[in-house]
Amino acid sequence: GAGVSQSPSNKVTEKGKDVELRCDPISGHTALYWYRQSLGQGLEFLIYFQGNSAPDKSGLPSDRFSAERTGGSVSTLTIQRTQQEDSAVYLCASSLTTKSTDTQYFGPGTRLTVL
Amino acid sequence: EDQVTQSPEALRLQEGESSSLNCSYTVSGLRGLFWYRQDPGKGPEFLFTLYSAGEEKEKERLKATLTKKESFLHITAPKPEDSATYLCAVHTTGTASKLTFGTGTRLQVTL
Repeated sequence: GAGVSQSPSNKVTEKGKDVELRCDPISGHTALYWYRQSLGQGLEFLIYFQGNSAPDKSGLPSDRFSAERTGGSVSTLTIQRTQQEDSAVYLCASSLTTKSTDTQYFGPGTRLTVL
Repeated sequence: EDQVTQSPEALRLQEGESSSLNCSYTVSGLRGLFWYRQDPGKGPEFLFTLYSAGEEKEKERLKATLTKKESFLHITAPKPEDSATYLCAVHTTGTASKLTFGTGTRLQVTL
């Protein structure tokens, strides 16, 4: 079956512009996660959604970052007024539920470059 | 605060030269330890989940083991196609459902 898909695969933007990154999870997966991978850093958790529950936003680095999940499926991560330090690969993952026994499957990522 | 440390940062092996990658962790309460493989320009690909000390899992040339403080990923007779970055992550009682990742080990296997 289809895996997690993300778009765009690459995004180059100018400092101060807003960007939107999209994630399509695996069909039937109720949990969706966003992580950020910077050069030389481990994956850093940003936010996760589980069903209709309020999202866990504890990893968002600033109020310039926001995310939504429509209809329990597709998610969009929005970064407002981008800064150069936002340059990274943004990875989306989904899992059947949020139980520790449920594997998180990752998409290919969106590479964001802020000039 | 939960911490995951992987070593070495980089490892170069010749084809057929077996070795082990280490993942040590300091966490509030381990619910699961995950190994992923990541190729350049791609997302992490799931390999194994381990839940309790003493558990072992195998897949082709890879074998993952778990103790109360660390996990090892043993690579037996590696091939060039095993070259990748191997990531370790933990799911803990203190972190809800998010994974906490180490920075990975970059493995290069040469002919």
